[in-house]
Formats: sequence, C-alpha cells, structure tokens
Amino acid sequence: AQSVTQLDSQVPVFEEAPVELRCNYSSSVSVYLFWYVQYPNQGLQLLLKYLSGSTLVESINGFEAEFNKSQTSFHLRKPSVHISDTAEYFCAVGYGGSQGNLIFGKGTKLSVKP
Amino acid sequence: DTGVSQDPRHKITKRGQNVTFRCDPISEHNRLYWYRQTLGQGPEFLTYFQNEAQLEKSRLLSDRFSAERPKGSFSTLEIQRTEQGDSAMYLCASSLGQGSEAFFGQGTRLTVV
Repeated sequence: AQSVTQLDSQVPVFEEAPVELRCNYSSSVSVYLFWYVQYPNQGLQLLLKYLSGSTLVESINGFEAEFNKSQTSFHLRKPSVHISDTAEYFCAVGYGGSQGNLIFGKGTKLSVKP
Repeated sequence: DTGVSQDPRHKITKRGQNVTFRCDPISEHNRLYWYRQTLGQGPEFLTYFQNEAQLEKSRLLSDRFSAERPKGSFSTLEIQRTEQGDSAMYLCASSLGQGSEAFFGQGTRLTVV
C-alpha cells in the first residue's frame, strides 16, 4: 500500500531564513507527487506538482520541490520565507494516474517568526 | 466560475442525529471526490464519482455514510446516527478528468456534541 511520510510535524523558522519540509513516499509504481498548502479554516490549495519530466518543479511564490526517485522523496524548499508563508503544508501521492485520488501525509505546520 | 462550493461551512449536531453536506463542483468537472480531515491529520480519501457513478469507496466509509451524485453535477454526503468520532472537516474536490488537477472546496466542519 502506498503511504506518505512527512518527517516534521512542526517547523519554526525566522523570516527570510531558508526552509525545507521533508516528504518521503512509498510506492512500487509510478506516481504523481503534490504539495498542498492549507491556511487556517481554509481548504487545500495546490502549491506545486510533479507528474513527469523535469524532476525540479517550482511554484509561483518561490517554493520548489525535487522528485528523487532513488530516495523516494519530494522535499519542499524555499530559500527565504515570509510571514505570509505560515500555514500547514501537505505532501500527497496521486495513484491510478489520477490527480484527485490522493494519499496525504499528516502535514507540517510551518511557523514563520519575525 | 467561483470554484468548488461546499455547504454548510460549519455544522454542529447532537450525537445520533443525521447530517447532510452538499458539494457543488466546478462546472463541467466530471470527477468529484470526498475527503475527511480530522484534527492533526492529513485529508483521508472517502469516495469519488465519475459523473453519477460512484467508482471507489474507502473502508473509512462505514454503512452510516452515503454519498450520491444523482445527476452528475452536485453531490451530497450523508452521515446517519452521527458519533463524536465523525467530528472532522469534510472536503470536496473536483477535476475535469482522471489526469486533470483537482480543486478543493473550503470544506464543511462538522462538530458532533
């Protein structure tokens, strides 16, 4: 069975510092990989995704993630965070060739402090 | 288009009562998904529809839960005889097709007292 592990439940960081949120998945078949962001009392917003092709994917607000097949990882990084990045971040695996049938990790709460 | 719409946003109910949630997907999206998110956890898949056909149901979907999408447009999720363990955020998502991006609604937060 497929699973997603987010190794850190909480990550506190100071503004303008770099951050890495870790995600590992287990799957014996090709998968789609996603990072979603959830602000308080809101739904999920897609941050970025890997479907195929270049293993480095980027979002419009400066986040990037790299698909590493050998390490079965899809870590999320940002070189300089802002207060507005404070949110919960979920890594997910899509199965069956679907971008909607998803298995999520438990989430990582990113707290950016001034 | 205003995106995926869920109603109500919040629901408080007494244990043992029945509740029904509604999800309106993005127009022309033929896939519709339901997820449940409990406190401190990531969303968990419940079920999904391709048009009006319910194609997959998670083992989390006990016999007290039923989902419908009668005309292939909006969907309802009903929970009968609610229990405190049903307290969660229920999320709906829709996509244009199997390989298309899924868009999530803002969710319905259920509190069973």
